[in-house]
Amino acid sequence: KAGVTQTPRYLIKTRGQQVTLSCSPISGHRSVSWYQQTPGQGLQFLFEYFSETQRNKGNFPGRFSGRQFSNSRSEMNVSTLELGDSALYLCASTLISGGGYGYTFGSGTRLTVV
Amino acid sequence: AQTVTQSQPEMSVQEAETVTLSCTYDTSESDYYLFWYKQPPSRQMILVIRQEAYKQQNATENRFSVNFQKAAKSFSLKISDSQLGDAAMYFCAYRSAADKLIFGTGTRLQVFP
Repeated sequence: KAGVTQTPRYLIKTRGQQVTLSCSPISGHRSVSWYQQTPGQGLQFLFEYFSETQRNKGNFPGRFSGRQFSNSRSEMNVSTLELGDSALYLCASTLISGGGYGYTFGSGTRLTVV
Repeated sequence: AQTVTQSQPEMSVQEAETVTLSCTYDTSESDYYLFWYKQPPSRQMILVIRQEAYKQQNATENRFSVNFQKAAKSFSLKISDSQLGDAAMYFCAYRSAADKLIFGTGTRLQVFP
């Protein structure tokens, strides 16, 4: 079956712009989580969605937002981009929220802010 | 707050040998799950092995096994018969029943022929 698909793979944006990243989970998976990965901060949790509802949220400013659609696809949006937002953004899906199901990750979107 | 610590930034092993990656965590929860993920240069995180805290038996997946010491809050990964393809960043991760996945800082594993 198809894995977690993230688009685009690479993105270059200018400071002050906004960006939308997309994540299509594995078919049947209803929970989608987003992570930011940087060399300095490592992997940091952004938010998790389950059945179109945000279940958990990490410690990121309000410029970072997300949503999930009825088909479980998810988008995250970053407004007023800053240089420090340059990172690899990873999306992960799992069957349901909670529990010990393993997460399946996508290949990520590499965002560069110039 | 729960934390995950990986104290070995880098490790190296000879092909066909065995290597153990360390991970400790801190939690006050009794019901939780532990994972090891591998991230090769392709950057996709791949689940290597998972362990439920309520299970005393250590999880095993082919050449990968864990040593889960609940009282010591330790969760190490043993890779047997190391292969060149095992070279990657390895992340230990923790999740309580209804919370987010928390990652350690990772261990870069190099495999030498």
